[in-house]
Amino acid sequence: DTGVSQNPRHKITKRGQNVTFRCDPISEHNRLYWYRQTLGQGPEFLTYFQNEAQLEKSRLLSDRFSAERPKGSFSTLEIQRTEQGDSAMYLCASSAWEGAWETQYFGPGTRLLVL
Amino acid sequence: QKEVEQDPGPLSVPEGAIVSLNCTYSNSAFQYFMWYRQYSRKGPELLMYTYSSGNKEDGRFTAQVDKSSKYISLFIRDSQPSDSATYLCAMSQPQGGYSTLTFGKGTMLLVSP
Repeated sequence: DTGVSQNPRHKITKRGQNVTFRCDPISEHNRLYWYRQTLGQGPEFLTYFQNEAQLEKSRLLSDRFSAERPKGSFSTLEIQRTEQGDSAMYLCASSAWEGAWETQYFGPGTRLLVL
Repeated sequence: QKEVEQDPGPLSVPEGAIVSLNCTYSNSAFQYFMWYRQYSRKGPELLMYTYSSGNKEDGRFTAQVDKSSKYISLFIRDSQPSDSATYLCAMSQPQGGYSTLTFGKGTMLLVSP
């Protein structure tokens, strides 16, 4: 399967613990996005990487959140001192330009539950 | 008021019906418009994308954009039970060579056999 992959698919943690999610983009894509989706809502943008550079961060990304993309390949999203409000699906997307159009391909997501 | 408004449904139709899904938006800077389909507990899957006002057809799906009214639609002809999913509209504006997507809430569609 050459699509975007995310691990783990599910994570249950206790409030105050740290969690880390991984995203492996489609291999030839140099752009990578993280989104968060809560129940009954559409995905909301969190952060964007072009290669290894983090070029944009949403104000949703509090200082408890950090994302990295070493060597411009896979990316990790870490949440420190988790809160119940962090419970959501965390989606990763990688993209490529197809003609004049940038198409974002989403992974299956990591579903986080904070107890 | 959110930038993108979408009725969450659910919208229930019988198999074979024509389905109309809609979104309105407030940011006139949006130039790119997309529809994603999301099955339960899966990531969104791109269905259609368009740039200009007018219609774009792909098989049973037609995307329509009216920039003057800030209104976009997705029509599904001959709907099938396998079309049952949540449909998300998304839009973006050009910004330095990349595009963060702004999504609607999604409309849940249920197609009964």
